[in-house]
Amino acid sequence: DTAVSQTPKYLVTQMGNDKSIKCEQNLGHDTMYWYKQDSKKFLKIMFSYNNKELIINETVPNRFSPKSPDKAHLNLHINSLELGDSAVYFCASSPGQGWHTIYFGEGSWLTVV
Amino acid sequence: TQLLEQSPQFLSIQEGENLTVYCNSSSVFSSLQWYRQEPGEGPVLLVTVVTGGEVKKLKRLTFQFGDARKDSSLHITAAQPGDTGLYLCGTSYGKLTFGQGTILTVHP
Repeated sequence: DTAVSQTPKYLVTQMGNDKSIKCEQNLGHDTMYWYKQDSKKFLKIMFSYNNKELIINETVPNRFSPKSPDKAHLNLHINSLELGDSAVYFCASSPGQGWHTIYFGEGSWLTVV
Repeated sequence: TQLLEQSPQFLSIQEGENLTVYCNSSSVFSSLQWYRQEPGEGPVLLVTVVTGGEVKKLKRLTFQFGDARKDSSLHITAAQPGDTGLYLCGTSYGKLTFGQGTILTVHP
């Protein structure tokens, strides 16, 4: 059983399109995250939700909209995709906020052409 | 300015060699974590260090937290090709923040 699963794993799309990445965790965790990893492998937090409430919202364009229908799911919707959005997006979860272990999904490789 | 500075950024070595990766900051942390990310996968936690001066060992990997809790190091003894990957230090300084990472390649 995959602890943190995200779909799709690979996504190639044209500029201007809208796309979503879905994430689910079966660990019973309260906190979920979205991270972006750029081509230089730098991993940066985008959003964090705790019990469906937005806790962290980094300086991310408002074309990116996370949605947490329940604490086991955190989806990422991206409007009007741009070339610079090409990256690997990681969903993650942890038991709570703070320095608990973060469990990452396998990543979603987004390529905007 | 990065909260956590990792060095080196790239490391390419032969099987059997030893290596050390550093994670430095000017800030004091209550804890620091090390993750390894293999190609095509997400990062996986290796260790959390909490106490200044703490040393933790995980088989051939030795992790140290600086006395002042501002820095940490990861030492790998007799590296193997299976150690190849991206090594990240991270800390929960309000939110989980990572260093830039060290890409390690161990050649057979």
